[in-house]
Amino acid sequence: AQSVTQLGSHVSVSEGALVLLRCNYSSSVPPYLFWYVQYPNQGLQLLLKYTSAATLVKGINGFEAEFKKSETSFHLTKPSAHMSDAAEYFCAVSPRGSNYKLTFGKGTLLTVNP
Amino acid sequence: DTAVSQTPKYLVTQMGNDKSIKCEQNLGHDTMYWYKQDSKKFLKIMFSYNNKELIINETVPNRFSPKSPDKAHLNLHINSLELGDSAVYFCASSQEAANIQYFGAGTRLSVL
Repeated sequence: AQSVTQLGSHVSVSEGALVLLRCNYSSSVPPYLFWYVQYPNQGLQLLLKYTSAATLVKGINGFEAEFKKSETSFHLTKPSAHMSDAAEYFCAVSPRGSNYKLTFGKGTLLTVNP
Repeated sequence: DTAVSQTPKYLVTQMGNDKSIKCEQNLGHDTMYWYKQDSKKFLKIMFSYNNKELIINETVPNRFSPKSPDKAHLNLHINSLELGDSAVYFCASSQEAANIQYFGAGTRLSVL
């Protein structure tokens, strides 16, 4: 069974600082990996996804994530945080093949201080 | 025009009642999902339909019954509501080849 672990339920950064949200996965074969963002009282929006092409994936709003098979990690980064980045971030994994079941991590709440 | 729309947005009801949540997608996708997000923000898949056929059915009480009248709709009916059913329920859809799920804004269910 696949699983996702997000280290840190809450990350706080200053505006303009580096954002680093950690995600590790457990899977017998490299799965598809995703980062979703949830703004308050809204649904989830896809930030980026890794399928099997480049290991460095660029997403929306200046975010990117690097797939590291040796570390089974898919950490999300952004060089400079903006106040509008404050939200809940979810890492998710799905198996390759026709079953597109998404398994989510427990989420990381990002707060951005002025 | 909203891609994945859910109604109602809020639902407050008494224990023991039966309620339904509707979901519609106008993206032309062939797969739809229901997720439950609990008070700690944990998201867990409940059901998935592909071309009106049930393909994922997680360990969910049989009080929950999904119904897909066509590819664009997936409704969730809940019988005999319990306090523990209080949560935010999200509908999502995807096109099989793309493997990206698009989420609705959620339905906040409160059982009193």
